[in-house]
Amino acid sequence: EPEVTQTPSHQVTQMGQEVILRCVPISNHLYFYWYRQILGQKVEFLVSFYNNEISEKSEIFDDQFSVERPDGSNFTLKIRSTKLEDSAMYFCASGSQATNEKLFFGSGTQLSVL
Amino acid sequence: LAKTTQPISMDSYEGQEVNITCSHNNIATNDYITWYQQFPSQGPRFIIQGYKTKVTNEVASLFIPADRKSSTLSLPRVSLSDTAVYYCLVGDMRRALTFGSGTRLQVQP
Repeated sequence: EPEVTQTPSHQVTQMGQEVILRCVPISNHLYFYWYRQILGQKVEFLVSFYNNEISEKSEIFDDQFSVERPDGSNFTLKIRSTKLEDSAMYFCASGSQATNEKLFFGSGTQLSVL
Repeated sequence: LAKTTQPISMDSYEGQEVNITCSHNNIATNDYITWYQQFPSQGPRFIIQGYKTKVTNEVASLFIPADRKSSTLSLPRVSLSDTAVYYCLVGDMRRALTFGSGTRLQVQP
């Protein structure tokens, strides 16, 4: 089965630093998402992306966050100036209308902000 | 956005059937109902999806009443490896697909 690939699997950074989390969605998918999950809590929606623009974003997705699809295959999440509370597992997901609302999730990037 | 409500946790024993119900009173006409399974430190994994009536696949069944205001995930004969958190999502792909708090299923031997 095709997979969503995320890199790196773990990222450790200092508070105030910029991080870029990378995702390679499934190749024929057109809908892309970022979610995060703080340890022991539920999966939280951050942003959805379609047709090269943000479709919806949550309150969490403030000006420190941005997403990009730079080359037609990668989908990135950038956090400009990380805070301690950004420490979480970040999941990328993709989907297509052919699969209705079935999303395929990557295995996540564990971000630790020190 | 359709808000979902599920039991926080459930316990079962191996070999039993488990039914997890999700309420989604303000489901919209275009919304699908999708269930995901999540193991610790892994991404959610698709289990089953439906729009109305009953859907069955190799791992689960999904029952949706005519008013679509709830849905029930049925796991036949659970095993220890079914211990996980189960989420129902309601929505369509063009909008945010928001996870609820999920149901933590613990299967005992």
